[in-house]
Amino acid sequence: LAKTTQPISMDSYEGQEVNITCSHNNIATNDYITWYQQFPSQGPRFIIQGYKTKVTNEVASLFIPADRKSSTLSLPRVSLSDTAVYYCLVGIYSGGGADGLTFGKGTHLIIQP
Amino acid sequence: NAGVTQTPKFRVLKTGQSMTLLCAQDMNHEYMYWYRQDPGMGLRLIHYSVGEGTTAKGEVPDGYNVSRLKKQNFLLGLESAAPSQTSVYFCASSSTRDPPHYEQYFGPGTRLTVT
Repeated sequence: LAKTTQPISMDSYEGQEVNITCSHNNIATNDYITWYQQFPSQGPRFIIQGYKTKVTNEVASLFIPADRKSSTLSLPRVSLSDTAVYYCLVGIYSGGGADGLTFGKGTHLIIQP
Repeated sequence: NAGVTQTPKFRVLKTGQSMTLLCAQDMNHEYMYWYRQDPGMGLRLIHYSVGEGTTAKGEVPDGYNVSRLKKQNFLLGLESAAPSQTSVYFCASSSTRDPPHYEQYFGPGTRLTVT
């Protein structure tokens, strides 16, 4: 199972770009990298997913180097409302199995004015 | 379209009591999951289901049972509640129509306290 390592917490300021890196040294060939966001008292929400290189959507970008042993979630111009816990997941659902897709403790991102 | 709903939102149990948490989804999703979240522990998978009539154990299944008699419902049961089961419980569902990682849609959570 691909284990992930993320910083426990990060601080930044409004308007800045925030990059959260996740290490996954034993990622398998078929594994995808997925990030979720969780606000207090709510369930997690899917942000972005990728396999290699770069993926961008309206919320964030995901950078994955060629060796895929790490990935970086990039949040452009953050605001106070981006204060949340961010989870990096590595794995794949195959035939319904949930192997490898554990949420871990996530990164608590705090945005200050 | 309500998405994923959970019943109840809050509950206080005494040690040894039993209860059932109900999760319902209206998105016709095949997969459903139950997680628990404790302070500083992230989310941990309790049980999951890949379709009506099927269930499987996750990371922390002990002390819980589940049933998926209908595709839209996933029930989590505590037969004899213990203080260690005090937690916030989240239900989620996902579709097989968008692999490879089927995006999970989460409910609002149930806060359970066992005294």
